[in-house]
Amino acid sequence: DAGITQSPRHKVTETGTPVTLRCHQTENHRYMYWYRQDPGHGLRLIHYSYGVKDTDKGEVSDGYSVSRSKTEDFLLTLESATSSQTSVYFCAIRETSGPSYEQYFGPGTRLTVT
Amino acid sequence: KQEVTQIPAALSVPEGENLVLNCSFTDSAIYNLQWFRQDPGKGLTSLLLIQSSQREQTSGRLNASLDKSSGRSTLYIAASQPGDSATYLCAVGSASNQFYFGTGTSLTVIP
Repeated sequence: DAGITQSPRHKVTETGTPVTLRCHQTENHRYMYWYRQDPGHGLRLIHYSYGVKDTDKGEVSDGYSVSRSKTEDFLLTLESATSSQTSVYFCAIRETSGPSYEQYFGPGTRLTVT
Repeated sequence: KQEVTQIPAALSVPEGENLVLNCSFTDSAIYNLQWFRQDPGKGLTSLLLIQSSQREQTSGRLNASLDKSSGRSTLYIAASQPGDSATYLCAVGSASNQFYFGTGTSLTVIP
């Protein structure tokens, strides 16, 4: 399962508060991704990272920021949470060795903004 | 922007039946295509990945095919079992290191 953990696994927060979700991997993969999953939309990419301090936006990046200060951790921050950011958030890594370049996912974080 | 579609959204079959799940995409310039399984309330489990240069991949009772020119991939499940009940997602990988997901097909295998 590529050693991916996410914390917290569940969080309830109030509108307007900042929230940080953490993704941790144990296998030194270069590429890490944050997605959100919503009914009817599937998984949508928020941000991704291709190395320490190297990040780029995905299709739904507004209202989110990320940081990667070390290879194993990729943080997703909601600067001021809104109800529209209630979702399940998944972190993923992408292999860069071998021919496959597969993605592997963490268990997810269920975030509720009230 | 790559658009990925999975039809049908839901499928119910009796146990033992062979079935095909479909995934279509709008831009044929893909890097790879990956099929996942997702159980309710869980994360995604990788099933098969097909590189853009490949036509198919097999793993046990699963066979995935890719036809880039027509923008289609299929996931064939042989001799379905109740344990195969889950949502199946396809993801198209681009050369820009981004992945685009379909909304999935929810499969129910009836004992």
